[in-house]
Amino acid sequence: NAGVTQTPKFRILKIGQSMTLQCAQDMNHNYMYWYRQDPGMGLKLIYYSVGAGITDKGEVPNGYNVSRSTTEDFPLRLELAAPSQTSVYFCASRPGLARYNEQFFGPGTRLTVL
Amino acid sequence: QKEVEQDPGPLSVPEGAIVSLNCTYSNSAFQYFMWYRQYSRKGPELLMYTYSSGNKEDGRFTAQVDKSSKYISLFIRDSQPSDSATYLCAKGEVAANAGGTSYGKLTFGQGTILTVHP
Repeated sequence: NAGVTQTPKFRILKIGQSMTLQCAQDMNHNYMYWYRQDPGMGLKLIYYSVGAGITDKGEVPNGYNVSRSTTEDFPLRLELAAPSQTSVYFCASRPGLARYNEQFFGPGTRLTVL
Repeated sequence: QKEVEQDPGPLSVPEGAIVSLNCTYSNSAFQYFMWYRQYSRKGPELLMYTYSSGNKEDGRFTAQVDKSSKYISLFIRDSQPSDSATYLCAKGEVAANAGGTSYGKLTFGQGTILTVHP
């Protein structure tokens, strides 16, 4: 298994540009999450999904959108990039609520908005 | 008050030292506790988890939870340069969104950067 994969690894955007951060998992996990990590701030939840077709907002959703058309994929969309969205973005997945909630993280996407 | 507060560090210790990493939490709803380790430019990976108060040991690592004082700790014995990383404590719970759908929620501390020098 490849686990959780994310593309691209790095990206520089200009203010106002749009992009989609890709996330895929091959573990057949129901739950998927998007976090952002800023220096000294820990991980903040942006959006999550409990299954294909079902998504919901996390702690910091403004400026982002998600979709979940398949179990495997959970892309994150930035519509109008702003400098405040400069961060490292992590996607994570977990199999279900019955387990103790280990989330498996991808390697991250480093985004800079200039 | 943040739900999970972590001593920010950074910490720099010599090889072989005992390391203590600490977090406090608020909100006493049913929950479990986890420590994630994150190497530079990598994603976090689960190091240890525990549901209850007391100690849980795994090799050189011991996770300690004191629910009465809402304090969680990670101890690393005989620290090695390979332990150099950011350590994130997290509180886990089963939450529900506005529509009543349950999901597993993790709330992370700010992270502590640990450097173990030879």
